[in-house]
Amino acid sequence: EVQLQQSGAELVRPGTSVKLSCKVSGDTIIAYYMHFVKQRPGQGLEWIGRIDPEDDSTKYAKKFKNKATLTADTSSNTAYLKLSSLTSEDTATYFCTTGGNNFDYWGQGVMVTVSS
Amino acid sequence: DIVLTQSPVLAVSLGQRATISCRASQSVSISSINLMHWYQQKPGQQPKLLIYRASNLASGIPARFSGSGSGTDFTLTIDPVQADDIAAYYCQQSRESPFTFGSGTKLEIK
Repeated sequence: EVQLQQSGAELVRPGTSVKLSCKVSGDTIIAYYMHFVKQRPGQGLEWIGRIDPEDDSTKYAKKFKNKATLTADTSSNTAYLKLSSLTSEDTATYFCTTGGNNFDYWGQGVMVTVSS
Repeated sequence: DIVLTQSPVLAVSLGQRATISCRASQSVSISSINLMHWYQQKPGQQPKLLIYRASNLASGIPARFSGSGSGTDFTLTIDPVQADDIAAYYCQQSRESPFTFGSGTKLEIK
């Protein structure tokens, strides 16, 4: 069974960057695209973008184009989401998700808190 | 971007049928393939795939969940509703990027 294990919670200062990881087990990371989703406290789900780990091609939602960077390391079966120039608007839980039937598998989520 | 519209709250009695709707601002179907999916999310948990491509039950999901629809109008049905079904339900389209979600419907017990 495919499992996605995300890195731990982050408390970060405004204006800095943070890099979150999502490790795949039970299958090779190149089997499917890896997507990332944002959820602000008490709010709905927002698609950030996706990476094809086979060729590193990426697609982003317009509002995240200058905020998020997706990368993947096939040797460690891990995908990464880097968030830059952090503000309070970036305080949220971030999920990675993948699968052949769209978003079959989800990581447990990473809470990022932006605060001085 | 494709906008998905859901009602914010639905209250039903235990043992009754719940019908959750999702309307897309444009068609999310390609030929006969309906690129609409449904997720359940309980507080503090990650979302769980319930239905993919409008009407296909995801692995391990009970048969009292079902999905229907095509084009711009889609429905998730839970029949009968059980106490464990109290959650938020989201539709999501994969017809085109960005892969948008509906704002979610919270299922409450009457």
